Amino acid sequence: EPEVTQTPSHQVTQMGQEVILRCVPISNHLYFYWYRQILGQKVEFLVSFYNNEISEKSEIFDDQFSVERPDGSNFTLKIRSTKLEDSAMYFCASSNLPSGGNTIYFGEGSWLTVV
Amino acid sequence: QKEVEQNSGPLSVPEGAIASLNCTYSDRGSQSFFWYRQYSGKSPELIMSIYSNGDKEDGRFTAQLNKASQYVSLLIRDSQPSDSATYLCAVRGQAGTALIFGKGTTLSVSS
Repeated sequence: EPEVTQTPSHQVTQMGQEVILRCVPISNHLYFYWYRQILGQKVEFLVSFYNNEISEKSEIFDDQFSVERPDGSNFTLKIRSTKLEDSAMYFCASSNLPSGGNTIYFGEGSWLTVV
Repeated sequence: QKEVEQNSGPLSVPEGAIASLNCTYSDRGSQSFFWYRQYSGKSPELIMSIYSNGDKEDGRFTAQLNKASQYVSLLIRDSQPSDSATYLCAVRGQAGTALIFGKGTTLSVSS
């Protein structure tokens, strides 16, 4: 069964450093997403991406964050100058259409620890 | 601000019983509704989706939607210890593609 894959599974970084989280969405999917989940809290939407541009973003997704699809398969989330409160599980997800009943499938997540 | 509300639980049921999980949402224009299961430290896993008022059954799971009341529920029949997890209600609004999640209800099924 096709799946969304994410790397790394766990990353520890020092405060102020830049982090890039990588994702390979399901191959025939066109819509890509990043969500995050701080330990013990709910899954929060960060950004959606379609046709090489951001289609929607939340208040969390400020100038510290950026996304990119550098080639035909990868989708990345860059976090500049990480803060302690950026420690969370980051989930990449994808879907084949944006609306109606189309399901969003999640990767296994990248756990980011900022020290 | 779009909100999805769930009782955090824990909801404890004995093995073989019916577990009933509830969710309300604030955006009346919401179109699509999903239930995900999340085990500790793992990613959300889709259980069911529902788009129209009424019931939708899939095996031991039944999703119920009432758009007038802005209410979604999930029934799990013949609950098993392996069903013990956090159940996330997620709603997709009319305007965008983002799923908005509730905080989840923790279900514990005892054998």
